[in-house]
Amino acid sequence: EVQLAESGGGLVQPGGSLKLSCAASGFPFNTYGLSWVRQAPGTGLEWVTSISDSGTTTHYADSVKGRFTISRDNSKDTLFLHLTNVRSEDTAVYFCAKDRTIGVSGQIFESWGQGTLVTVSS
Amino acid sequence: AIRVTQSPSSLSASTGDRVTVTCRASQAISDYLAWYQQKPGKPPKLIIYAASTLQPGVPSRFSGSGYGTDFTLTISRLQSEDFATYYCQHYYGYPRTFGQGTRVEIK
Repeated sequence: EVQLAESGGGLVQPGGSLKLSCAASGFPFNTYGLSWVRQAPGTGLEWVTSISDSGTTTHYADSVKGRFTISRDNSKDTLFLHLTNVRSEDTAVYFCAKDRTIGVSGQIFESWGQGTLVTVSS
Repeated sequence: AIRVTQSPSSLSASTGDRVTVTCRASQAISDYLAWYQQKPGKPPKLIIYAASTLQPGVPSRFSGSGYGTDFTLTISRLQSEDFATYYCQHYYGYPRTFGQGTRVEIK
């Protein structure tokens, strides 16, 4: 059974930094791409960033480009999201998701963690 | 970036009703569209991908259709456990954007 467990959320001041982790189990970690998706309180889903199975290719939403960094440690089956220079609009539940390739290059979010809440406030 | 517009934003229905949610992409995306179900306090759950392929374990009362820019999620006979918010999402390149969501409420 695929399991994804996020941690590291909490309260951070505007302009501050935070590092989220996602511990994975139940699948061959180093053969799947992974993503972060967030959901601000009472609102919809927003894709944030994705990383390839090897970690060599990354993609970012414009809203976080240059401020957030996705990475992974395939030796520890763990995904990371480093948030820097955070803003109030970054307040959200952050979900990690296991990608699955559909067709030639499409990636869907096949499995999700429970999420970790990041609150940006002074 | 490709935008996906979902409608309606909410609907009220009764158990046993047929429910339809639509999703329109701002440009053709082939069948690169997925649907997710989310219940309060829970993560989203993948229910349909490739526009019409049911994820294993999802009841057959759920179905999807469409190609290009216009897509539909249908629940043939609404059950109590189906009251939730549904999101469409394209995966035709990046950014992989979601629709705004459709909340299915009890009438």
